[in-house]
Amino acid sequence: AQSVTQPDIHITVSEGASLELRCNYSYGATPYLFWYVQSPGQGLQLLLKYFSGDTLVQGIKGFEAEFKRSQSSFNLRKPSVHWSDAAEYFCAVVPNDYKLSFGAGTTVTVRA
Amino acid sequence: DVKVTQSSRYLVKRTGEKVFLECVQDMDHENMFWYRQDPGLGLRLIYFSYDVKMKEKGDIPEGYSVSREKKERFSLILESASTNQTSMYLCASSPIGAPNSYEQYFGPGTRLTVT
Repeated sequence: AQSVTQPDIHITVSEGASLELRCNYSYGATPYLFWYVQSPGQGLQLLLKYFSGDTLVQGIKGFEAEFKRSQSSFNLRKPSVHWSDAAEYFCAVVPNDYKLSFGAGTTVTVRA
Repeated sequence: DVKVTQSSRYLVKRTGEKVFLECVQDMDHENMFWYRQDPGLGLRLIYFSYDVKMKEKGDIPEGYSVSREKKERFSLILESASTNQTSMYLCASSPIGAPNSYEQYFGPGTRLTVT
């Protein structure tokens, strides 16, 4: 079955440390790829997106993601985490129509 | 700044009640969506609409209906609320035309509790 997998349910990281969130998908063709963030009590905000071209994508708030076709992955990274990055992060793909398919989410806790 | 608003942030209803969740967007978007969000399951699509009075079922439409009488407004209706519909409900909108149509803008969500 087609799916989006975020293997890590919860990650704890120290402020100032680097962060990497994993995302894998199982669609045959290269889908459109997205990362969204949901701060506590808020809706989802788009961090970045990949449609085509350069496989390293820059987003807002200092985030970047790299599309690796051979690994069917689209991992999200940030070099230095701030306390305000504590949130839930969702990977999403659009396989062949305009409906987003979401992963289950990764909750990030930032410790001082 | 783009904006999607939802009528309530928190809602408590009793089993069997008819529940209306309202969503309004000010971006003149053609597409609108209703999702429910549950821990460990991510977001699941309930219904979407690509034009006024047009609707299509998503992945979990059972127990829900929708209404879109105006372009900017998309309503989710729980005809007879049940406890298993306790969840966070998120509305989203997007323009037409790939690939921009794939970029959805979300409201803040309505946390519905059915007792």
